[in-house]
Amino acid sequence: EVQLVESGGGVVRPGGSLRLSCAASGFTFDDYGMSWVRQAPGKGLEWVSGINWNGGSTGYADSVKGRFTISRDNAKNSLYLQMNSLRAEDTALYHCARDLSRYYKRGMDVWGQGTTVTVSS
Amino acid sequence: QSALTQPRSVSGSPGQSVTISCTGTSSDVGGYNYVSWYQQHPGKAPKLMIYDVSKRPSGVPDRFSGSKSGNTASLTISGLQAEDEADYYCCSYAGSYTFVFGGGTKLTVL
Repeated sequence: EVQLVESGGGVVRPGGSLRLSCAASGFTFDDYGMSWVRQAPGKGLEWVSGINWNGGSTGYADSVKGRFTISRDNAKNSLYLQMNSLRAEDTALYHCARDLSRYYKRGMDVWGQGTTVTVSS
Repeated sequence: QSALTQPRSVSGSPGQSVTISCTGTSSDVGGYNYVSWYQQHPGKAPKLMIYDVSKRPSGVPDRFSGSKSGNTASLTISGLQAEDEADYYCCSYAGSYTFVFGGGTKLTVL
């Protein structure tokens, strides 16, 4: 079964850090680009960051650029999101998602259930 | 990276057709044939319904179709069914390895 399982969410104070992980299974992980997409409570989807199949190309939303870092370990079938300098507005459910292509341009066909990040003092 | 513009809500009766628009710019929707659409039921993860503007993943009914003209993409759902009631989001590649989503549209089946 093709599956993505996120972990690493939690409650953190403003200015703090968290590292999210996404474990992939059931498919050849390094054949696909990957993204992180978040959804604040009661709000819409927001693309956060993406990475191509070998980690050679990455992209970030303006709202997180300079604070978040995406990476992947193809040997471990895992995707990561290092989040620093967290703000209240980063509070959301964070999904990892698989793109249809190696270069995460075409659309996201497999989604995890998400991990919740709450930034609060 | 401004969000794509979608109507906040649309509605239709069972059996009817509805169209959801998604307006961007020449830097995203108009510049690439990489528009995708997602369906999200409450408390569930999004589901890919359309990719590459008009292609349907395996398992998505052919009642769902996508198109694009200039800077505006559209999702049309024909033969509305009760289970189509959900939130729908468009998404476009926006260059430089970035994506942008629309604000979402709530579809109500009357």
